[in-house]
Parts: sequence; structure tokens; C-alpha cells
Amino acid sequence: DAEITQSPRHKITETGRQVTLACHQTWNHNNMFWYRQDLGHGLRLIHYSYGVQDTNKGEVSDGYSVSRSNTEDLPLTLESAASSQTSVYFCASSRGFGTDTQYFGPGTRLTVL
Amino acid sequence: GENVGLHLPTLSVQEGDNSIINCAYSNSASDYFIWYKQESGKGPQFIIDIRSNMDKRQGQRVTVLLNKTVKHLSLQIAATQPGDSAVYFCAESRGSSNTGKLIFGQGTTLQVKP
Repeated sequence: DAEITQSPRHKITETGRQVTLACHQTWNHNNMFWYRQDLGHGLRLIHYSYGVQDTNKGEVSDGYSVSRSNTEDLPLTLESAASSQTSVYFCASSRGFGTDTQYFGPGTRLTVL
Repeated sequence: GENVGLHLPTLSVQEGDNSIINCAYSNSASDYFIWYKQESGKGPQFIIDIRSNMDKRQGQRVTVLLNKTVKHLSLQIAATQPGDSAVYFCAESRGSSNTGKLIFGQGTTLQVKP
């Protein structure tokens, strides 16, 4: 069955370190999204991509970057982790072309000490 | 300002009763709405969607109602079960721009009492 996976599921890191969270989908979806979820803020969009070599900033993109070298993967990189980036991160994908239903991965819980 | 929000942060219902979760939106240009369910420790799961050319859509034990006049969306769950306990999010799509982006509400926690 097609699916969307995230790894690692849990990560503890130190302030200042570079961290990369992986997202992989097997639906062949064009669109991919990264969100963070914090209490009191709901889901906030970090970055998104409409296809290979396309990336766009969301509402909370500072301190994060993404790259899209193939259809299946959209890794999220924290260039220099900060305690404010402690959160649960969700990746999602959608087919695009007017079908906006997004399907979410299981999430990565990141703690920055 | 634009807002997708939920009227109540927590809803507590008795097992077997019907549940109604409400959502308000402010942008009349939104033409696609989705309800998600998020269980503890998991990612949001698609439940049901509705386009603005419809007023009602039914799924298995769930019904979504859309009232465009007052910009209101609701999710009805029939015969609520303990497994329905979760946080429910509504989301809207500003379809006129076709960006594929969704705007999420804050979420309502549904607690099912046995």
C-alpha cells in the first residue's frame, strides 16, 4: 500500500546542531508539505513543494530549509537547532491539480536541549 | 482578519450519543473543506471533505454540513464510540488560488465517556 513515512520518530539534539528530518511518500504525489504542531498554535506550515526542484516558504520558515530532488522525498533541515524548534513535525502530501486533500505522516517529535 | 476556528476547545459526550463539532471560517472564497481526526501520538487522518457546491456530505457514521451563508462547517458523528476520542481539525482551501495549501483551525478535543 502507498504511504507516507517519517524518520526518525523521536530525536533529541543540542542547540546549534544541524538536524535533518526525513519524509518519504510512495503515492507519487506532486505536493509535499512540512508542518510543526505546538500547543496553542495548531498546525503551522514551514515549507512546501509543488514538484521536483520546487520549494516555497510557509508562515514559519525561518531556521528551516528543504530540498526536493525527487518526487518521493522532502527532507527538512534545521540549520542550527534552537530550543524554540522543539516541536512535533508532520510531513504531508497531496496529489495536486485541484485535489487538495493532504495525507499526513506519523510525525517526528524533536527536542532541542 | 481571516480565520478558521472552532467554537469549543473540548467536547465531552456519552458513548452512543451523537457528537457535533463546529467550525467557522471567514473567507467566502474558500471552496473546499476537510475534517481531520488526530489521535494521540499520530498524524492527522482524513475523515471527510466537502466542496462549496454542496451543503451536506455523508460518510460512514459522519456527516459534514456546510452553511455558506454564515460561513459555518460542522462535523456530526453518529453513535459516538470510545475510538472517536481524538482532536478534530477543520481545514479550508482557498481554491481560487489553487495553491494546494490548507488553513487549519486550532482543533477541538472530543472526549467520549463510557
